Amino acid sequence: GQSLEQPSEVTAVEGAIVQINCTYQTSGFYGLSWYQQHDGGAPTFLSYNGLDGLEETGRFSSFLSRSDSYGYLLLQELQMKDSASYFCAVRRGRRALTFGSGTRLQVQP
Amino acid sequence: DTGVSQDPRHKITKRGQNVTFRCDPISEHNRLYWYRQTLGQGPEFLTYFQNEAQLEKSRLLSDRFSAERPKGSFSTLEIQRTEQGDSAMYLCASSSGQNNQPQHFGDGTRLSIL
Repeated sequence: GQSLEQPSEVTAVEGAIVQINCTYQTSGFYGLSWYQQHDGGAPTFLSYNGLDGLEETGRFSSFLSRSDSYGYLLLQELQMKDSASYFCAVRRGRRALTFGSGTRLQVQP
Repeated sequence: DTGVSQDPRHKITKRGQNVTFRCDPISEHNRLYWYRQTLGQGPEFLTYFQNEAQLEKSRLLSDRFSAERPKGSFSTLEIQRTEQGDSAMYLCASSSGQNNQPQHFGDGTRLSIL
């Protein structure tokens, strides 16, 4: 089976940097993805790590260590609009995703 | 670029009724997925299509659930004899056939069982 753990809530202030960690247990691993979901909205793809290391996309970066079964999402220069839930997900084989329970990020002024 | 479209956005029905949801994926995507999401949880995988072939079904997909993608384009998800526990957001996603391509989600259909 597969399971993912991530903090349930994180609070930070505008302009700050926040890191959301994700640890996973899986019988097969094909990469770690991150999705953002605003209340009432669709999950939106942010980043994917198939190999160890850091991937950077604008203000967002994601890191993966396969040996530690660990990854994180780093959000820089936080903005109010970044308040949302963030999900890590592992790929099941090369197809469907298994998601964590999500981390609710609250950005305060 | 037209994204993934789901219809209806909301469905309220009485327990025991049948419901059907539709998903129109991004046109060039041959992979289509259905997920279910309850409040405070991440999406849970239900089933996956590659073109018109249903290649994987979750154990969550009881025999009351059926999904089709008859022409490899749009898909329908039907729930028969709905139960209170079926209340959830039903999300559809699509992706291209290339490996490691992200899944693009629709806004979902929120099902409420009275």
